[in-house]
Amino acid sequence: QPVMTQSPSASGTPGQRVTISCSGRSSNIGSNAVNWYQHLPGMAPKLLIYSDNQRPSGVPDRFSGSKSGTSASLAISGLQSEDEADYYCAAWDDSLNGWVFGGGTKLTVL
Amino acid sequence: EVQLVESGGGVVQPGGSLRLSCAAFGFTFDDYAMHWVRQAPGKGLEWVSVISWDGGRIYYADPVKGRFTISRDNTKNQNSLYLQMNSLTAEDTALYYCARDRGLLWGGMDVWGQGTTVTVSS
Repeated sequence: QPVMTQSPSASGTPGQRVTISCSGRSSNIGSNAVNWYQHLPGMAPKLLIYSDNQRPSGVPDRFSGSKSGTSASLAISGLQSEDEADYYCAAWDDSLNGWVFGGGTKLTVL
Repeated sequence: EVQLVESGGGVVQPGGSLRLSCAAFGFTFDDYAMHWVRQAPGKGLEWVSVISWDGGRIYYADPVKGRFTISRDNTKNQNSLYLQMNSLTAEDTALYYCARDRGLLWGGMDVWGQGTTVTVSS
């Protein structure tokens, strides 16, 4: 059983709002902050959301994060073609004494 | 400009060793913890190791414990992160990224390099 799980895929049409979910445990999401990363093919991963719901400077406010209990979500509103990428959640795990990533969600813009 | 540049990847036989380097530019290196993260072909991101700003705290993912060693050189002329990889297996084949932590060690990765490729094959 993976420590943090994400749906393998998600899709939406331009302009739509999509949500990507991340399910974890009390030892990671339940007790530590969640970060979200966008990973485009051939590029370095990019930090989208940190501390559950904070956006680094330069990240559009179309991207938002939330957390409840042992689950976290990334919402993308006003979907654009350039949002097509892999998205990963990540958190520190107190039991493993290390960082864990979710398995990633491949977002397709139809 | 804040930048991380990895080097040292290559092709190595199973059981062999490799040392990766990551040069840091554009920020005060010893203010930040640093990570190694990898991505195997067709797979997702996998965290490998983290080292605190002064090297006093180090953590490893279970698959690499006892085989990999993270270290850093905070001297002005170096500002570098390293990953010594021993007893390599095919499962270690991946693109290895160096990444800066937002803070002490638990902030998560905010700046990433472009990666260096490690291939373990006979």
